[in-house]
Amino acid sequence: AQSVTQLGSHVSVSEGALVLLRCNYSSSVPPYLFWYVQYPNQGLQLLLKYTTGATLVKGINGFEAEFKKSETSFHLTKPSAHMSDAAEYFCAVRYNFNKFYFGSGTKLNVKP
Amino acid sequence: KAGVTQTPRYLIKTRGQQVTLSCSPISGHRSVSWYQQTPGQGLQFLFEYFSETQRNKGNFPGRFSGRQFSNSRSEMNVSTLELGDSALYLCASSLAASGAQETQYFGPGTRLLVL
Repeated sequence: AQSVTQLGSHVSVSEGALVLLRCNYSSSVPPYLFWYVQYPNQGLQLLLKYTTGATLVKGINGFEAEFKKSETSFHLTKPSAHMSDAAEYFCAVRYNFNKFYFGSGTKLNVKP
Repeated sequence: KAGVTQTPRYLIKTRGQQVTLSCSPISGHRSVSWYQQTPGQGLQFLFEYFSETQRNKGNFPGRFSGRQFSNSRSEMNVSTLELGDSALYLCASSLAASGAQETQYFGPGTRLLVL
């Protein structure tokens, strides 16, 4: 069965430090991969997505993610955290016209 | 272009009642999906509608139902509400024209509290 695993339900970094949020999927068939961000009391906003082509994907707000087929991973990174990055981040996958599978989410805390 | 809108934003019901939530997708989008978000279970897929037909369905009891109208607006209904139905219900729309790589755009959600 397809699934998405996000390692670490809570991640805390200092402002200016590297942000690394981990996402692994379980499938022999590479899916389409997405990262969403959710701010308190709001819906989800797309950060970036991987479909085909270049494995390093750049998104909004300085975030990027790299698709590594050999590791079945799609980790999200940002070189320098900002206070406004504090939110919950969700990794999601989709296969053809099947439903989206979301990870359990990672809450990012940014310390001043 | 206006985003996905959901009404109402907040709702309080009592056990045993039923509730209808509404979602208006982005203009031109033909696919609407519904999700339930709770602290314990995270984001769980309810169902997806495309051109008034249910295309995918999650693992929820039959008390949860939905429909889509010809203008792509969608409603979901929950009958015989239980305390565990308290959640944020999110609607997402997509063009559904080019396949699974399409982005889903989410609305702000309807927060349902069942007492």
